[in-house]
Amino acid sequence: NAGVTQTPKFRVLKTGQSMTLLCAQDMNHEYMYWYRQDPGMGLRLIHYSVGEGTTAKGEVPDGYNVSRLKKQNFLLGLESAAPSQTSVYFCASSFTNYGLAGELGEQFFGPGTRLTVL
Amino acid sequence: GENVEQHPSTLSVQEGDSAVIKCTYSDSASNYFPWYKQELGKGPQLIIDIRSNVGEKKDQRIAVTLNKTAKHFSLHITETQPEDSAVYFCAASSRPSGTYKYIFGTGTRLKVLA
Repeated sequence: NAGVTQTPKFRVLKTGQSMTLLCAQDMNHEYMYWYRQDPGMGLRLIHYSVGEGTTAKGEVPDGYNVSRLKKQNFLLGLESAAPSQTSVYFCASSFTNYGLAGELGEQFFGPGTRLTVL
Repeated sequence: GENVEQHPSTLSVQEGDSAVIKCTYSDSASNYFPWYKQELGKGPQLIIDIRSNVGEKKDQRIAVTLNKTAKHFSLHITETQPEDSAVYFCAASSRPSGTYKYIFGTGTRLKVLA
């Protein structure tokens, strides 16, 4: 199994350009997530999905859109990139109702995409 | 809003010594507390986790303790080795009806000095 894969690994954009980051998982997970990681700020949730065809906003959703047309794929879009969106982006996936109390369990992360917006 | 505070932000220890990283959470509904290790250029990977009905869990050189009353949980690494050098993140998770929360701490950069 490949686990969670992300494409591309690196990208440089100019302000105002658009792009889509692709995340794919082969573990049949229901939940998928997009995070951004900035120095000193840990991982911040952008958007997440609890199943095919569903999406929801996380902590920092502004400037991003997502789609989950297929269970195994979760796309993150930037319609008009800004320098503030320079970051490392991680996708993750997890099972649902992992624990006896319904708590969420382990998240499996991809290798990340380093995005620079000039 | 809810948050998770993690300390220290950096930690240097001599090889063979112990390392302790502490986290405090604010949401009393949190019931799952994982710890992730992130090596340079890679995504975070789960190393140990604990659920709210357990006070302590150990896996070889790694242990996690949870104090629900004080809303504290800690990661303990004994007999540290150079390969333990990485960034460690704690997280607190809850799943109240209709919502989802999985909040990460800001990370601790651990350096194990040979």
